Amino acid sequence: RKEVEQDPGPFNVPEGATVAFNCTYSNSASQSFFWYRQDCRKEPKLLMSVYSSGNEDGRFTAQLNRASQYISLLIRDSKLSDSATYLCVVTNNAGNMLTFGGGTRLMVKP
Amino acid sequence: NAGVTQTPKFRVLKTGQSMTLLCAQDMNHEYMYWYRQDPGMGLRLIHYSVGEGTTAKGEVPDGYNVSRLKKQNFLLGLESAAPSQTSVYFCASSYSIGLAGGETDTQYFGPGTRLTVL
Repeated sequence: RKEVEQDPGPFNVPEGATVAFNCTYSNSASQSFFWYRQDCRKEPKLLMSVYSSGNEDGRFTAQLNRASQYISLLIRDSKLSDSATYLCVVTNNAGNMLTFGGGTRLMVKP
Repeated sequence: NAGVTQTPKFRVLKTGQSMTLLCAQDMNHEYMYWYRQDPGMGLRLIHYSVGEGTTAKGEVPDGYNVSRLKKQNFLLGLESAAPSQTSVYFCASSYSIGLAGGETDTQYFGPGTRLTVL
């Protein structure tokens, strides 16, 4: 089983839609959780950290479910500029490094 | 404040040639990383460093060597390039290393180096 698993997509949604991604992880002791965004042919950039209580940043909401070992990202009112690959990142099984998921590709259409 | 920079941006090698990729960061981060990214494989850690003068193997270290002689620089070397090393290479740095939780573990990435080995 991969340490971090994501549906690769692509998710094709119209502008204004709400879209959600899930990511499952195998290390129950993981302490750090992030969502990164990666545009085509660019480097990954931090979108938001994910806290146990859940957190929101504008149109983006991240949730952590430790019992089921998954994190989620909800994007409301999708914009064309949201089109990118979203990477789920968690502490690895050894607890000494971050592990990146393969990414979920989002395409927002006019 | 340039963040993380990488040189070169592009390179084409022939099988068996050697090269060094340079990564530099100006954020005074202790931790630095080299990743490769291949289609369908996601980011895979090659080597990392927890401080000046120290390096450690990541998930896919074979065929690569690294050095961290100065805190701000992390070099990735390919001694004898192979076509399987065709990839996009990203360097990253962070304040902490994924134990504390929270934003201090955030990794900041350079723009990447696109390497083709013929």
